[in-house]
Amino acid sequence: GQSLEQPSEVTAVEGAIVQINCTYQTSGFYGLSWYQQHDGGAPTFLSYNALDGLEETGRFSSFLSRSDSYGYLLLQELQMKDSASYFCAVGNTGGFKTIFGAGTRLFVKA
Amino acid sequence: GAVVSQHPSRVICKSGTSVKIECRSLDFQATTMFWYRQFPKQSLMLMATSNEGSKATYEQGVEKDKFLINHASLTLSTLTVTSAHPEDSSFYICSARGRSSNSPLHFGNGTRLTVT
Repeated sequence: GQSLEQPSEVTAVEGAIVQINCTYQTSGFYGLSWYQQHDGGAPTFLSYNALDGLEETGRFSSFLSRSDSYGYLLLQELQMKDSASYFCAVGNTGGFKTIFGAGTRLFVKA
Repeated sequence: GAVVSQHPSRVICKSGTSVKIECRSLDFQATTMFWYRQFPKQSLMLMATSNEGSKATYEQGVEKDKFLINHASLTLSTLTVTSAHPEDSSFYICSARGRSSNSPLHFGNGTRLTVT
């Protein structure tokens, strides 16, 4: 089976750094992805890790450790607009089916 | 970047009627499309995987006769909710992936279905 665990909520202040962790269990692993979703909107792709290490895209970075079945999303210089839900997702065998975690609601305070 | 268009964005229908939702990839060929369902403040639940030219693969617990999926071309997949009931009210989101297994998912804007 497949499962992903991530915190349900995180609160941080504007300008701060926040890390959202994700642990996963999957039969066959084809990468860990991160998506952002604002209320009422569709998810948008943020980052993808197929190999161990850190991927940096602007203010967002994502890390993967396949031996630990663990990854995280790092958001720097938080802005109010970053308040949203963040989902980690894994691709399974064949890489074509993507399963999402329950999501982490990030609240950014002034 | 890649664009996925989903239509309609909102639909209200009466119980017992059918609703068709379209998902189009506008600037890339989508060999695989996925249909997700999302209840308020919950995660995206995969309903089915749609491959161009073949039958869709449904996740456990999803009624294939109720949620008809057609993927007749590399740019279009449709989801038809047949004989809709109030419990089918939800946010339905399609996504598409290119040929590479590590291509990210590109999501449509979703369809808010309300069955009265």
